[in-house]
Amino acid sequence: EAQVTQNPRYLITVTGKKLTVTCSQNMNHEYMSWYRQDPGLGLRQIYYSMNVEVTDKGDVPEGYKVSRKEKRNFPLILESPSPNQTSLYFCASSVTGGGGQPQHFGDGTRLSIL
Amino acid sequence: SQKIEQNSEALNIQEGKTATLTCNYTNYSPAYLQWYRQDPGRGPVFLLLIRENEKEKRKERLKVTFDTTLKQSLFHITASQPADSATYLCALCPTDSWGKFQFGAGTQVVVTP
Repeated sequence: EAQVTQNPRYLITVTGKKLTVTCSQNMNHEYMSWYRQDPGLGLRQIYYSMNVEVTDKGDVPEGYKVSRKEKRNFPLILESPSPNQTSLYFCASSVTGGGGQPQHFGDGTRLSIL
Repeated sequence: SQKIEQNSEALNIQEGKTATLTCNYTNYSPAYLQWYRQDPGRGPVFLLLIRENEKEKRKERLKVTFDTTLKQSLFHITASQPADSATYLCALCPTDSWGKFQFGAGTQVVVTP
């Protein structure tokens, strides 16, 4: 089954404790992206990757890191999480990143930073 | 500044009627505009996309229009059903920033029997 898999689905942690949210897709998509969703603000893009070893900042990259060493994986790293990073996070993938192909989203990761 | 806006008020509609949602954008020149459905606590699910040179696109009970002069897309759900109740998001990718998607905040649709 074609899917985007995020882990963990839920995480409660404390300020400053490094964490990684994994994202994997099995559709051989070139494009992958991370979003956060907060009430009233909609989906905001954190980072995206047009292909392996190519990553770029979205609208809200501060406090986050990403890497794209393999086509299927695009982990999101919070080196020193803070409470303002408490949010619902989504990973997405697409054949290409130009908008002419649909994005496939994971089921989300709900992060709470205390 | 660049903005993509959807009506933040929930749209309450009776079963069988047509729901019409609006997506307006400013200071973008997108080649495509996409529409997604999102259920509470779930990831968005792709519904339709429309190209800048297409006026209208249909898929079953869904219809999307795209007016690049007005900088507006309309999303219609005809013969609405309670199962259509969800939040609907529009999204675009600027032609000068491939990969950098912008999403509207979404409009909640509630269809009552």
